[in-house]
Amino acid sequence: AQSVAQPEDQVNVAEGNPLTVKCTYSVSGNPYLFWYVQYPNRGLQFLLKYITGDNLVKGSYGFEAEFNKSQTSFHLKKPSALVSDSALYFCAVRSNTGNQFYFGTGTSLTVIP
Amino acid sequence: DAGITQSPRHKVTETGTPVTLRCHQTENHRYMYWYRQDPGHGLRLIHYSYGVKDTDKGEVSDGYSVSRSKTEDFLLTLESATSSQTSVYFCAITDRGLVYEQYFGPGTRLTVT
Repeated sequence: AQSVAQPEDQVNVAEGNPLTVKCTYSVSGNPYLFWYVQYPNRGLQFLLKYITGDNLVKGSYGFEAEFNKSQTSFHLKKPSALVSDSALYFCAVRSNTGNQFYFGTGTSLTVIP
Repeated sequence: DAGITQSPRHKVTETGTPVTLRCHQTENHRYMYWYRQDPGHGLRLIHYSYGVKDTDKGEVSDGYSVSRSKTEDFLLTLESATSSQTSVYFCAITDRGLVYEQYFGPGTRLTVT
């Protein structure tokens, strides 16, 4: 069975500090991994993805994520958080053998001024 | 949200009535998806389409049907709405191939009273 876990419903971080939003996955076959961000009353927006190659991928707005195959994790990171980063973040996985995406339950990030 | 529209954006309906939600894309993408978003559940796939007249079920398809008679339109129908179908519904599209991210519409907030 394919699944995604985001163990933290809420993450609070001070502005200027580094942030991490955690994601672990379970998928048959090779995983394609994605991070999305959702602002209030909006649809999800794509941030970054891992398909193959370097384990550290860089995306929009200064975000990056590290793929760790042995730990089946794909944590989202940013070196210095901004208040405008406050939003809901979703991790998603897709198997290389299927058409469906599987989403985590989301992590609400609050950056405190 | 560019290239994807959903209608209506808000709807209140009564239990037992039929409801149809429309997703329209101008990107000519092959894959289209319907999700529902509920607190604590993240996004859950209802149905998806991999071409005109080609559809398949997702993890929460009971009580929903879909149709795709044109590339650009993907309709989601609740044959007899129930209060448990109160949710925010998102349409998403993906370019051909397995490695592409999804692009989401702005969502439809449906309330079943």
